[in-house]
Amino acid sequence: DSGVTQTPKHLITATGQRVTLRCSPRSGDLSVYWYQQSLDQGLQFLIHYYNGEERAKGNILERFSAQQFPDLHSELNLSSLELGDSALYFCASSVAGKEQFFGPGTRLTVL
Amino acid sequence: EDQVTQSPEALRLQEGESSSLNCSYTVSGLRGLFWYRQDPGKGPEFLFTLYSAGEEKEKERLKATLTKKESFLHITAPKPEDSATYLCAVPLSNDYKLSFGAGTTVTVRA
Repeated sequence: DSGVTQTPKHLITATGQRVTLRCSPRSGDLSVYWYQQSLDQGLQFLIHYYNGEERAKGNILERFSAQQFPDLHSELNLSSLELGDSALYFCASSVAGKEQFFGPGTRLTVL
Repeated sequence: EDQVTQSPEALRLQEGESSSLNCSYTVSGLRGLFWYRQDPGKGPEFLFTLYSAGEEKEKERLKATLTKKESFLHITAPKPEDSATYLCAVPLSNDYKLSFGAGTTVTVRA
């Protein structure tokens, strides 16, 4: 158990819908990273938050957004969902500059 | 362009048959190299961090080494429970967002 929690574990929804994925980092970690893993793309960095502030963006679609709250949990919002958004979404947390610990992931299926 | 390349893509081993996985990287100013293990449908599990050429880390049957251009993950006398996908990653920029290789899927047969 990495200490990082993610909910829900599974999410099935339809095209055009909007979903929210939640992540709670390990106690004491200020950094939260979001990654997408699909079969053809591998693990891809989406966005990084540090202590409530956005620090970096990867190839994140404009339909996707995230935020980190004062209690340090983070949410990833995915809107206008398309079939191609089906993937595993992971968050990871770390002490700045150190190894990242990953949560169990949310499996998103868009029908 | 910064890149992380892993080889081979897949490795099938007999129980007890030692082997090595390769991770080559082209990153300016390496800020560490991370190895993870991932089981199907699960989150990557942190294994090792290596920071400088010549450094070695060990954990049970796994040993990771680092040179200036590549890292190796040696699996000694593997057991079926070592079957997993092994991922290496390097942080890009001062932000430490990770760039992952595609992974090596290891299958160990009893």
